[in-house]
This record gives sequence, structure tokens and C-alpha cells, in this order.
Amino acid sequence: AQKITQTQPGMFVQEKEAVTLDCTYDTSDQSYGLFWYKQPSSGEMIFLIYQGSYDEQNATEGRYSLNFQKARKSANLVISASQLGDSAMYFCAMREVNNAGNMLTFGGGTRLMVKP
Amino acid sequence: KAGVTQTPRYLIKTRGQQVTLSCSPISGHRSVSWYQQTPGQGLQFLFEYFSETQRNKGNFPGRFSGRQFSNSRSEMNVSTLELGDSALYLCASSTTGHRYQETQYFGPGTRLLVL
Repeated sequence: AQKITQTQPGMFVQEKEAVTLDCTYDTSDQSYGLFWYKQPSSGEMIFLIYQGSYDEQNATEGRYSLNFQKARKSANLVISASQLGDSAMYFCAMREVNNAGNMLTFGGGTRLMVKP
Repeated sequence: KAGVTQTPRYLIKTRGQQVTLSCSPISGHRSVSWYQQTPGQGLQFLFEYFSETQRNKGNFPGRFSGRQFSNSRSEMNVSTLELGDSALYLCASSTTGHRYQETQYFGPGTRLLVL
């Protein structure tokens, strides 16, 4: 079974609107971290936001927030006030406490396209 | 602080050759991980090093190897290149990699094309 599932291969959003990118995960660990990364066409993976499994509050970083629903095993990324520069691939990733070494497991990604 | 650097940025090789990619982590970071990204398989974990020791290895053949030096810089090597090795190779660093909460910061990647 997929550990990280991103069901939206591609999405369009109008500039200045908010958009939600979906991520569901599967783990039997009680302790884990969830990460979102942005990958522009240049290829570099840019860290956006982190949510820990024990964090009671949803994480926020500027225009990025994470809608964390632990019981449903979902960690959706919300981007408010979309900008043209937000057009990129977005990846959800998980680090489980019982992973030997520092391994991130990634979802398949969502390509976000912001329309002017 | 300087970010993660990777060299070279682009590489073209032919089947059967070998290649070495280099990664310099953020200063003070001692954990270095390598990932392969392809359109078909997505992002896959190759291996991770801490204090010159490989702590974990992904499901890749023995042609893929790596090492880490005492200054935390890391190299990965692919021998006997195959067409399917064409990919973006990403390196990431974090402070120790001991805690699941640690953020990994990625370099710009090396794009390898095997002809």
C-alpha cells in the first residue's frame, strides 16, 4: 500500500485565491513527522511546512497552513492568496520514527498551476 | 548560511560508464541523504549517511553506492550505467537525522542523462 497518497495530479487555481492540496498517509507508528516541499521547474526541493504527529495545533508558515486531521490520516496543504510564483510541483512527505536512518517517504506530487 | 550544494548540475553519460556525484551539506549538518527522482517512479530514497556511516539504504541495486567524508561531504557513485538511471539526483542534509522532527534541506540536484 502507498504510504503517502496525493490524489490530485494537477490543479489550477486563480491568482489571489486559496487552494488546498490533499495528502493522506499510512503508518502504524505513533510518532512521525509530515513535511511539504515545493519543487519549481528548476528542480530544487524547497521546504514549506512541518507538522508533527503530536502537534495539537495546525502548523502555519506565512501563506502556508496545514490542515492536519490525525484520525483521518490526512495532512492537507492550504495556500492562501495564490501567486504566479506558486506554480510548481508540491510533495507531501513523511518521516516515521521507526525508520532506520533519515528516510523520507514521498507522495507522487501535485502540479499546481496558478492562472493570472 | 549557504545551502546544500551539488556538483555537477548536469551530466551526460553513455551506458556502461560510471558516474560520481558530489554533495556538500549545510554547515553543521552531519546527516546526508540521497534521493532519485524519475517521472515513472517518483522520489525514491537511495541511502543516508551520518558520521561517515551508512545508516539506511533504499531498494536499489549494488551499482549504487555512496560514502561520506569526515567533513560531512558526501558522494554517490553509479557504476555500469543503464538508460533507466537517467534521473534527477537530489541530496538533502539535516543536523543529525536522529529525530523524526528534523527538516531535511535539499540541494538543486544533479540531472543525469544516460545515452
